[in-house]
Amino acid sequence: DAGVIQSPRHEVTEMGQEVTLRCKPISGHNSLFWYRQTMMRGLELLIYFNNNVPIDDSGMPEDRFSAKMPNASFSTLKIQPSEPRDSAVYFCASSLLAATNTGELFFGEGSRLTVL
Amino acid sequence: DQQVKQNSPSLSVQEGRISILNCDYTNSMFDYFLWYKKYPAEGPTFLISISSIKDKNEDGRFTVFLNKSAKHLSLHIVPSQPGDSAVYFCAVGGTYKYIFGTGTRLKVLA
Repeated sequence: DAGVIQSPRHEVTEMGQEVTLRCKPISGHNSLFWYRQTMMRGLELLIYFNNNVPIDDSGMPEDRFSAKMPNASFSTLKIQPSEPRDSAVYFCASSLLAATNTGELFFGEGSRLTVL
Repeated sequence: DQQVKQNSPSLSVQEGRISILNCDYTNSMFDYFLWYKKYPAEGPTFLISISSIKDKNEDGRFTVFLNKSAKHLSLHIVPSQPGDSAVYFCAVGGTYKYIFGTGTRLKVLA
């Protein structure tokens, strides 16, 4: 079974450039999450979608960050313009969330972003 | 404002002994409490969970304890094995939103 697929695995870019991270969730899952991992703050929730609709984007740092989910099998997280402080590992996770389950999230392997 | 705290950034334990990882949270409205394990260069993977109506859940060597009055969650691993060396994240939340702690790096010494 294919898990959550993220690309690219590594991205090195220069300050001011646009960065697009991609995610393919597990087929059949109805919720998708973007998390950012840093040493200081651990895993921070940036945004989550339910049935392709953004439900909570309160974790998105600022207007430079945007996320879309045009269909059930694809999502993007875009940073424009990128800054050195955006350097982190970005994880996408998906889940089949319902009122009766525990909400286990399935994570991709992450995209390590370095902004010089 | 950190709603979920793992106050020990690292922990070292001898193989065969018990590992105890702790997690504190502030919001009493959370319904589910989970532990994830993360190896380097991989995404976190689900380990064990507990709902707010229970105080203990056991799965093999792993047991999660929930103390709702203290808003405290712990993970016990016994016996600890070298393969358990990883970063452990607690996560708390409800139906749609899960907040993670900052993680505890566990090192099991052979």
